Amino acid sequence: SAVISQKPSRDICQRGTSLTIQCQVDSQVTMMFWYRQQPGQSLTLIATANQGSEATYESGFVIDKFPISRPNLTFSTLTVSNMSPEDSSIYLCSVEREGGTHEQFFGPGTRLTVL
Amino acid sequence: AQSVTQPDIHITVSEGASLELRCNYSYGATPYLFWYVQSPGQGLQLLLKYFSGDTLVQGIKGFEAEFKRSQSSFNLRKPSVHWSDAAEYFCAVGPYGSGNTGKLIFGQGTTLQVKP
Repeated sequence: SAVISQKPSRDICQRGTSLTIQCQVDSQVTMMFWYRQQPGQSLTLIATANQGSEATYESGFVIDKFPISRPNLTFSTLTVSNMSPEDSSIYLCSVEREGGTHEQFFGPGTRLTVL
Repeated sequence: AQSVTQPDIHITVSEGASLELRCNYSYGATPYLFWYVQSPGQGLQLLLKYFSGDTLVQGIKGFEAEFKRSQSSFNLRKPSVHWSDAAEYFCAVGPYGSGNTGKLIFGQGTTLQVKP
């Protein structure tokens, strides 16, 4: 399985500011995903990030609000822009295991609180 | 449309008792099915998966799950629960979307509380 780290692990931010979350994987992977988990809720996919191409966003999520970079096969960033208290969530990155079984391995998450 | 339903939002069992967490899905073909566990303040850990073969699959931490195509279910079981099993459990199905995107749909989650 892949080992995934995220930075920061948590942050408290002021409304109107932006935060960039980093996701680092210990091996090269093709598919990376970014999820949002609002308090007490399940996971909602924000976007799929593939190296060398634009991220693909799910309905309800836009690039201006959640820009994503994927500069190589082991790293990605998600920025939460112009934050409001409604953006307070846990943000998780995951990677898909190579080989077509569609297993995903998750990072520990970034707990964001917006005041 | 693909969907996943976990009918039980919250379950409480006594330590040592058996456990079954329910998961029902809607999917147009044979799905890939997963159970994940999330302990407080942690990311998600994969417990087990099914995508073909034997419909009873064994996972980590003593968990097992059975795929029942006729019932569109993939229920998670454990014969004897330990206090450390208290956590949030998510069922997931996929892939969905155009192309082989690998995207998964997650159920709403079931919170397991273990009584001493």
